[in-house]
Amino acid sequence: DAMVIQNPRYQVTQFGKPVTLSCSQTLNHNVMYWYQQKSSQAPKLLFHYYDKDFNNEADTPDNFQSRRPNTSFCFLDIRSPGLGDTAMYLCATSSGTGNSNQPQHFGDGTRLSIL
Amino acid sequence: GQQLNQSPQSMFIQEGEDVSMNCTSSSIFNTWLWYKQDPGEGPVLLIALYKAGELTSNGRLTAQFGITRKDSFLNISASIPSDVGIYFCAGQRVGSGNTGKLIFGQGTTLQVKP
Repeated sequence: DAMVIQNPRYQVTQFGKPVTLSCSQTLNHNVMYWYQQKSSQAPKLLFHYYDKDFNNEADTPDNFQSRRPNTSFCFLDIRSPGLGDTAMYLCATSSGTGNSNQPQHFGDGTRLSIL
Repeated sequence: GQQLNQSPQSMFIQEGEDVSMNCTSSSIFNTWLWYKQDPGEGPVLLIALYKAGELTSNGRLTAQFGITRKDSFLNISASIPSDVGIYFCAGQRVGSGNTGKLIFGQGTTLQVKP
């Protein structure tokens, strides 16, 4: 059974029209991540939440926002998508602790196309 | 952002052959992870390594955490068609602390000819 669930799997939206991607998890992990992955490239971290603490990567465009209303859910909001935002968006979770690094577990992604 | 140097970039092999790929870095890591990604899917964790020198197997897969903490390799023995995909190494750096931020390699695309 899927433990990190992303919805929708495919999303097509118009240039400039706000879009929200959803991620939920049944692992009760305290850390949730959002990545952008373009074709033939490695995933690129956009931001992550450690519990309720939001951590933005320095090069993440202001156009990208995130919300985490509770432990299980995290959302990626793209306020005004551009053509260059066409990509796979991956959500991942981990049980972060103060003393060790734990592996991240990924969802199946949302493939977003901006027209 | 920073990336690991992963090689080879792609491989095209015959079914039954063994495969080896590796990642190197100029910085040390305290965790190495290997993921496989199928087209249109998210990366799936194959092996996690936590100690320098650690050698871990998962079925036909074997991975090692380099003794210098700056490299790791993944071997696949007796490849089969379902091994096709993109393999990513990822490192977690000392001092990542609670965030578990990953540094990814560029990926190795594996194709297996039946």
